[in-house]
Amino acid sequence: SAVISQKPSRDICQRGTSLTIQCQVDSQVTMMFWYRQQPGQSLTLIATANQGSEATYESGFVIDKFPISRPNLTFSTLTVSNMSPEDSSIYLCSVPGLAGHEQYFGPGTRLTVT
Amino acid sequence: AQSVAQPEDQVNVAEGNPLTVKCTYSVSGNPYLFWYVQYPNRGLQFLLKYITGDNLVKGSYGFEAEFNKSQTSFHLKKPSALVSDSALYFCAVRVPFSGGYNKLIFGAGTRLAVHP
Repeated sequence: SAVISQKPSRDICQRGTSLTIQCQVDSQVTMMFWYRQQPGQSLTLIATANQGSEATYESGFVIDKFPISRPNLTFSTLTVSNMSPEDSSIYLCSVPGLAGHEQYFGPGTRLTVT
Repeated sequence: AQSVAQPEDQVNVAEGNPLTVKCTYSVSGNPYLFWYVQYPNRGLQFLLKYITGDNLVKGSYGFEAEFNKSQTSFHLKKPSALVSDSALYFCAVRVPFSGGYNKLIFGAGTRLAVHP
């Protein structure tokens, strides 16, 4: 499976500010996924990022709030903009496995908004 | 609508006893099913998957899962639980994605507590 790293691992931010989360993969992948895991909750897909095209957002998530970049086949960023306490969550990136069925996840970024 | 349900918020089991974590699904077409585990302050780790073939699939750390099409279930099992198995377990199903790629829908999660 791919080795996935995320930066930062955690952060505490003030409301109204923005945070950019980085996801780095040790191999080239076509698709990357960004998920949110709110406290005590399951994972919810935010968007799918395909290199060279606009990200595709799930219902309830918009580009202005969660802009995504995908500059190459091993890297992506997710920005959480104009943060509020409700954005306090773990944000995870993932990539598909070789067979394309399962996904492998990064360690996550734990965000707390005060 | 495509969905996956984990009916138990928490499962408690004594070390050495068998464990079962339940999962049921609702999908159109053939289901692709997965189990993941999340240890405290760590990301999700892939445990096992069912795509096709044998209804009993084996995965990491001695876990296995049984696919039952008639009951639309995919329960996670282990013959002998360890204290170190204590974690949060997620069942997931793959669904077709309008962008041409498949996405995962996760259940709510089940917390497994194994007591010494």
